[in-house]
Amino acid sequence: AQRVTQPEKLLSVFKGAPVELKCNYSYSGSPELFWYVQYSRQRLQLLLRHISRESIKGFTADLNKGETSFHLKKPFAQEEDSAMYYCALSGSGGYNKLIFGAGTRLAVHP
Amino acid sequence: GAVVSQHPSWVICKSGTSVKIECRSLDFQATTMFWYRQFPKQSLMLMATSNEGSKATYEQGVEKDKFLINHASLTLSTLTVTSAHPEDSSFYICSAKWGGNQPQHFGDGTRLSIL
Repeated sequence: AQRVTQPEKLLSVFKGAPVELKCNYSYSGSPELFWYVQYSRQRLQLLLRHISRESIKGFTADLNKGETSFHLKKPFAQEEDSAMYYCALSGSGGYNKLIFGAGTRLAVHP
Repeated sequence: GAVVSQHPSWVICKSGTSVKIECRSLDFQATTMFWYRQFPKQSLMLMATSNEGSKATYEQGVEKDKFLINHASLTLSTLTVTSAHPEDSSFYICSAKWGGNQPQHFGDGTRLSIL
């Protein structure tokens, strides 16, 4: 079955602390993994996709096929990083529909 | 670039009425559009995938006669909730993409409240 699991509903850290938002997936094949972010009162927007292998706003995510994980990391959290983060999976074939995880709310405190 | 607009952003109506939600890609041609539903404090659940000029593909458990989707042009898709009831109250979000390998771009969503 295709599934994306984000085990933490809420992650609360202080400014400057490292952040790791966990994401595990289940998919038979070669999926594409994404992180989407939703800031307060804003639309969902793409943060990272694993094929790009880039760092956006200091965030990185590495696809670990052995552990079927795609954790999102940032070494030093900022208050403006506070948002809802969704991990999503897109399978090969079809119209590349997205399967979302439940989301993790990141709260960065001053 | 890649702006997706949804209208209306919020609608309240009586039980039994039909409600139409529009999703427009403003600065690109969307070959594929997606419709999601999001319940409070829950994730986005895909309802259907629509391609311009063809019938929508609905996810398992989504009633196609209840949620009518039309994708008549490369910049517009509509979702009509027919004979809406209170249990249809939810947040509906659309997304659009212009190619097979392109990411989805999301609209702001429409909050539907059925009294």
